[in-house]
Amino acid sequence: GEDVEQSLFLSVREGDSSVINCTYTDSSSTYLYWYKQEPGAGLQLLTYIFSNMDMKQDQRLTVLLNKKDKHLSLRIADTQTGDSAIYFCAESYSGGGADGLTFGKGTHLIIQP
Amino acid sequence: EAGVAQSPRYKIIEKRQSVAFWCNPISGHATLYWYQQILGQGPKLLIQFQNNGVVDDSQLPKDRFSAERLKGVDSTLKIQPAKLEDSAVYLCASTNRGAHNEQFFGPGTRLTVL
Repeated sequence: GEDVEQSLFLSVREGDSSVINCTYTDSSSTYLYWYKQEPGAGLQLLTYIFSNMDMKQDQRLTVLLNKKDKHLSLRIADTQTGDSAIYFCAESYSGGGADGLTFGKGTHLIIQP
Repeated sequence: EAGVAQSPRYKIIEKRQSVAFWCNPISGHATLYWYQQILGQGPKLLIQFQNNGVVDDSQLPKDRFSAERLKGVDSTLKIQPAKLEDSAVYLCASTNRGAHNEQFFGPGTRLTVL
């Protein structure tokens, strides 16, 4: 079955880089996503990567995908207090029209001043 | 463009009672999803609709949960009867199956079962 694993907490100093890691098991995943959830707010898509890509950069965000190890990471450069949130890794398999997302448990990013 | 709307935002009921949640997806989005997010966990897919048809309900506890999308737009999710372990945030999402199949999430309904 599908499973997505993430570490639960990450603490970084303001201005440093944050690296959030994720492992997944479904090698048939078409897309892999990073969602952000702030307290009292809905899920917001941060970025995504197609399964045939190795890297994607979007301003302060860098996504790395290692398909062999089924490992996905999100790097946030110059971490700010506004980046404090829960970050979810999610995978989607597009086959037969059923493409609901499978999420990890989320990584709480804590920013130290 | 208006986002995904959900109501109510909060609901408190006693176990064995019934409850219903409503979702209005983004206009033109044919695909609609319901997720359950228990505190401390990631969202878990309950059901996926394509227009008014069910695509995937393999993780829906059908003995107590039901969902419909009769006209292919709005959707309701019902729990009857509720159990303590149903306490969670129920999220609705929709997509128009664009380039990367982005799902847009509503604010959710927080259910507390006492």
